[in-house]
Amino acid sequence: NAGVTQTPKFRVLKTGQSMTLLCAQDMNHEYMYWYRQDPGMGLRLIHYSVGEGTTAKGEVPDGYNVSRLKKQNFLLGLESAAPSQTSVYFCASSYSSVITEAFFGQGTRLTVV
Amino acid sequence: GQQLNQSPQSMFIQEGEDVSMNCTSSSIFNTWLWYKQDPGEGPVLLIALYKAGELTSNGRLTAQFGITRKDSFLNISASIPSDVGIYFCAGQQVSGGGADGLTFGKGTHLIIQP
Repeated sequence: NAGVTQTPKFRVLKTGQSMTLLCAQDMNHEYMYWYRQDPGMGLRLIHYSVGEGTTAKGEVPDGYNVSRLKKQNFLLGLESAAPSQTSVYFCASSYSSVITEAFFGQGTRLTVV
Repeated sequence: GQQLNQSPQSMFIQEGEDVSMNCTSSSIFNTWLWYKQDPGEGPVLLIALYKAGELTSNGRLTAQFGITRKDSFLNISASIPSDVGIYFCAGQQVSGGGADGLTFGKGTHLIIQP
């Protein structure tokens, strides 16, 4: 059982470049999330989705866009990368708003130079 | 956004010692979760708490959902080297009919001295 899979695992971007991070889950979870983790800051919610075709902003959404075209996939896009977006990005999913236990992927380490 | 205050920030202990850490908030949460993160990995769920006053164990780990619903505690008994890592508390407050995602504490870095 793969759980939550993130691709790529590592990426280096130049300022202004764009990229998309892919998250896939095979647990039939309704809810999916994108977090970023920075030293001393814990995990901060970027965007989340409560179901296929829906997305919502989290705590730090600026500079990111997301899409949930299929229930099992949640994409995070950076249209014009900035050095401040250097971080480790985690995708997570949970079954519902009642069963809120979130399962995480292994992370994507992104460096913007 | 909501703030979770997790303490201590780091702990240096001897193998075999018991460990206690906690999270507090000014807001009420409906769910408290405790995660462990190893270097280079994603957080892994340890314990989930859904009711005020609930006390739940997972092996040597015990966590409690505070009566006020504004705090939670995690205890680790008889620590072993593989307990090393960063422990995060996370809380969720369901509002407006949908989930706003988990709010995380900043983590407790557990270091076990030989």
